[in-house]
Amino acid sequence: GAGVSQSPRYKVAKRGQDVALRCDPISGHVSLFWYQQALGQGPEFLTYFQNEAQLDKSGLPSDRFFAERPEGSVSTLKIQRTQQEDSAVYLCASSSGGSGEKLFFGSGTQLSVL
Amino acid sequence: EDKVVQSPLSLVVHEGDTVTLNCSYEVTNFRSLLWYKQEKKAPTFLFMLTSSGIEKKSGRLSSILDKKELFSILNITATQTGDSAVYLCAVSRGGATNKLIFGTGTLLAVQP
Repeated sequence: GAGVSQSPRYKVAKRGQDVALRCDPISGHVSLFWYQQALGQGPEFLTYFQNEAQLDKSGLPSDRFFAERPEGSVSTLKIQRTQQEDSAVYLCASSSGGSGEKLFFGSGTQLSVL
Repeated sequence: EDKVVQSPLSLVVHEGDTVTLNCSYEVTNFRSLLWYKQEKKAPTFLFMLTSSGIEKKSGRLSSILDKKELFSILNITATQTGDSAVYLCAVSRGGATNKLIFGTGTLLAVQP
């Protein structure tokens, strides 16, 4: 596609619900990243894929967070048993090479947990 | 602990003014420093700096890195209302990790 596409744009969940956030990166981009951005803060790294391999998941805040990219293209970030502190914008980004520097970001999914 | 600190946190200027945004960092195994512009949600890439003293320019925007003093500045001349955004500074580290460490950003508001 022309850019990184994320869906849904907005998600409201009741505390305890599971949610799934989708990211469709730029076609052919090898690297895919998930970042979490709380209100008034900069993005914080969650996890990184190179093709289908999850090479770094050190930023996932708890075992309720899980990400996958089974065919090396679309990725899904799943949050189980959502908590209020999970409320944030979840940004997906992709890049053509292995470097995580010149990233192309999607518009994010704004998650609100009530 | 790695950190990136931006200042000021917010700034209000009038069209035509020149602004300077600051970014200082402390990271192990520094590789590069990047500037992104965030309007609404999606950050867009502005500059990547790896060497000290070499200015990067794009139109009215320019940036420079000082690896000795561990900081970078982003200059915007002749500001326009379309420059209103959050400007994010990020640092990447060498080695196996490919993650960026972001600052909290500077919110720039340009008034007509």
